[in-house]
Amino acid sequence: EVQLVESGGGLVQPGGSLRLSCAASGFTFSSYWMHWVRQAPGKGLVWVSRINSDGSSTSYADSVKGRFTISRDNAKNTLYLQMNSLRAEDTAVYYCARDWEYYDILTGYSNWFDPWGQGTLVTVSS
Amino acid sequence: QSVLTQPPSASGTPGQRVTISCSGSSSNIGSNTVNWYQQLPGTAPKLLIYSNNQRPSGVPDRFSGSKSGTSASLAISGLQSEDEADYYCAAWDDSLNGHWVFGGGTKLTVL
Repeated sequence: EVQLVESGGGLVQPGGSLRLSCAASGFTFSSYWMHWVRQAPGKGLVWVSRINSDGSSTSYADSVKGRFTISRDNAKNTLYLQMNSLRAEDTAVYYCARDWEYYDILTGYSNWFDPWGQGTLVTVSS
Repeated sequence: QSVLTQPPSASGTPGQRVTISCSGSSSNIGSNTVNWYQQLPGTAPKLLIYSNNQRPSGVPDRFSGSKSGTSASLAISGLQSEDEADYYCAAWDDSLNGHWVFGGGTKLTVL
């Protein structure tokens, strides 16, 4: 069974740091790009970051650029999100998700997120 | 404020057909495929529709997606009580070095 399990969330003070982990199982982790998506309490989904399959390429939402770092350890089948200089507005449930890519001659490349982990809650508050 | 625009709420009675719209721009929906995710209360999002109109295995054919220009739609026919959830559209946006964008979500209520 394909599974993603996040951990590492908790309560942290503004300006503090936290590292999230996402343990993958049931598929060849090293073959897939991965993402982090967050959801503030009562709000919608917001994409945070992505990393390619070997970890050599990353990208970030403007709201976290320079503060968050995505990485992966393919030997441990684990995705990470290092979060520094945390702010109150970073409070959210953080989900990891696997990227799928497909090429169709009519529509070109398509990507989507499947599956998603259960999420881990990060609360930034004094 | 989300880049993709969805109505905040939608509703219908059991058996009815409802549609949820998702409006974007040329840099996202206009040039890339659209995905839809269903989030049941208290759970993680789940893929519902990918590549505009494709259903993953296990998703009932009551759910269908379409795209035209810079807009997309999710249709749910034969509405059931278990369809009550939040629905999000998503697309890759080519602007600003590229990034994923989501709609603000639509809360579907089955009356």
